[in-house]
Amino acid sequence: AQSVAQPEDQVNVAEGNPLTVKCTYSVSGNPYLFWYVQYPNRGLQFLLKYITGDNLVKGSYGFEAEFNKSQTSFHLKKPSALVSDSALYFCAAVKGGNFNKFYFGSGTKLNVKP
Amino acid sequence: DTGVSQDPRHKITKRGQNVTFRCDPISEHNRLYWYRQTLGQGPEFLTYFQNEAQLEKSRLLSDRFSAERPKGSFSTLEIQRTEQGDSAMYLCASSLQGFETQYFGPGTRLLVL
Repeated sequence: AQSVAQPEDQVNVAEGNPLTVKCTYSVSGNPYLFWYVQYPNRGLQFLLKYITGDNLVKGSYGFEAEFNKSQTSFHLKKPSALVSDSALYFCAAVKGGNFNKFYFGSGTKLNVKP
Repeated sequence: DTGVSQDPRHKITKRGQNVTFRCDPISEHNRLYWYRQTLGQGPEFLTYFQNEAQLEKSRLLSDRFSAERPKGSFSTLEIQRTEQGDSAMYLCASSLQGFETQYFGPGTRLLVL
């Protein structure tokens, strides 16, 4: 079965410190990988994606993600967290060549404290 | 274009009633998706349209659920004889064929009493 795992329900970090939100996947083929952010009572907002090429992908709002094929991971990172980054973050994967169905992780709540 | 819109944003209904939700995708997007999200979980795929054709349905989409996209633009999701287990956020997304990124609407939160 295809799946995406986010092992941490919650990540706490102080403002100005680096943050990492973890994601691992089990999706056949060469999946495409995504990160979305969800603010309260809002839909999911696209942050970044990995299709192919450079393993370090840069996205919106200073976020980046590192693809590691051997570890089947796609961790989200930011060098310096902001209080406004506090939100729910979802990792998603889609099978390469079949863009119809996203497999989402269960989400990680990021809390950035002043 | 302001993105994907959904209506209503909130719906409270009594068990056994029928409800219908609407999704308007980004205008040039020919692909449209419905997902369901329950508390503490990521979105789960329900169904997908390319233009007006419904090409894939999840087994989560029971016989009480039906989705349409009659003119290849907006879509509706109807739930008949609602059950308390149907309470969830229903998300719509759209994309342009050939581009992988799906853009999500704000969702419709359903509460079945």
